[in-house]
Amino acid sequence: DQQVKQNSPSLSVQEGRISILNCDYTNSMFDYFLWYKKYPAEGPTFLISISSIKDKSEDGRFTVFLNKSAKHLSLHIVPSQPGDSAVYFCAALYDTNDYKLSFGAGTTVTVRA
Amino acid sequence: NAGVMQNPRHLVRRRGQEARLRCSPMKGHSHVYWYRQLPEEGLKFMVYLQKENIIDESGMPKERFSAEFPKEGPSILRIQQVVRGDSAAYFCASSPLSGRVNTGELFFGEGSRLTVL
Repeated sequence: DQQVKQNSPSLSVQEGRISILNCDYTNSMFDYFLWYKKYPAEGPTFLISISSIKDKSEDGRFTVFLNKSAKHLSLHIVPSQPGDSAVYFCAALYDTNDYKLSFGAGTTVTVRA
Repeated sequence: NAGVMQNPRHLVRRRGQEARLRCSPMKGHSHVYWYRQLPEEGLKFMVYLQKENIIDESGMPKERFSAEFPKEGPSILRIQQVVRGDSAAYFCASSPLSGRVNTGELFFGEGSRLTVL
């Protein structure tokens, strides 16, 4: 039962443009969301997070938007850079199991020069 | 300042053999988590351990899989009598504390890729 879904397996974007990655979830108990970035042959690394009490979280070129009513969040990367080419995983937590991440299947981003 | 160390990076086993995957957490980290990534899927939680304690093994298959984190030495994920469906990447992560406030300090290893022939 996939509770976190990333329906776009891949995304190609030109350098300097915006990358928008989408994530949907089904479990209304989730109240904390994270994005991880993964390069080939490496482990995922934490990128940015957002609590359900907020609708936006920013860190440099990365912004997460959360729409709780739609159970949807998105990651915006502006401007996209070649080093951003990686797999991006959306993940979620809820209070009583707040160490157990539920991951989406990932979106592979390719930034074209 | 070594990160989370996993070995072996690649392991090939024949059906029915045993697989042992090791994970040394980052220095100062006492919480260890194992995740499994099947092809074309996201990482799935398997087990959460602290030293000498299994805190949550709700994601572990009921049979053939076990995990430990002894007082001394690395955490070990053990798969007995492997089957082809066990072929996956197994990731270990560690953190100094648990809980959401520390998810930014959850560090993953590079993973161990198990192939069952």
